[in-house]
Amino acid sequence: GAGVSQSPRYKVTKRGQDVTLRCDPISSHATLYWYQQALGQGPEFLTYFNYEAQPDKSGLPSDRFSAERPEGSISTLTIQRTEQRDSAMYRCASSLATPNTGELFFGEGSRLTVL
Amino acid sequence: GQQVMQIPQYQHVQEGEDFTTYCNSSTTLSNIQWYKQRPGGHPVFLIQLVKSGEVKKQKRLTFQFGEAKKNSSLHITATQTTDVGTYFCAGWDRETSGSRLTFGEGTQLTVNP
Repeated sequence: GAGVSQSPRYKVTKRGQDVTLRCDPISSHATLYWYQQALGQGPEFLTYFNYEAQPDKSGLPSDRFSAERPEGSISTLTIQRTEQRDSAMYRCASSLATPNTGELFFGEGSRLTVL
Repeated sequence: GQQVMQIPQYQHVQEGEDFTTYCNSSTTLSNIQWYKQRPGGHPVFLIQLVKSGEVKKQKRLTFQFGEAKKNSSLHITATQTTDVGTYFCAGWDRETSGSRLTFGEGTQLTVNP
């Protein structure tokens, strides 16, 4: 696609529910990142993919968080048993270059609110 | 783990004044990037610096990478209202953080017309 697309743009859920966020990266991009951004803060790394491989998921805050990219294109981020502290903007970014270099193209983000 | 710190957190200037934000890493960086995030928007890439002591310019913006590759700065000359937004630095440190791009907290710039 022309840019990185994320859905839903907004998600309001009740504590304890599961949510899945979707990212459709730029089609030629091998590397895909997930970041969490709290209001007024910088993006915090969650995990990244190189095609379908997930070499680093050390930024995921707990085992309630998981991400997939089974065919090396679209990725999902799932949060199980959501808690209020999970409320944040979740940003996906993709990059043409191999990890460690090259610009990241960010999507518009998915704003999650947990009541 | 690697930490990237930015100062100041906020900066208010009159249109036409200069602006500088500083970025410091706890570890030596492989390279550093700068992003701009407009209010309500997403981070947009501005530039990447790779070499020790590198200086790059984009119109009124000047970017520097320190000799030790642990700090960087962004200077805007004669700010305009279109410069409003939050400026983030983000660093790669292959040795300690692998392929993780670590962002600073950002400097939020407001420009009074």
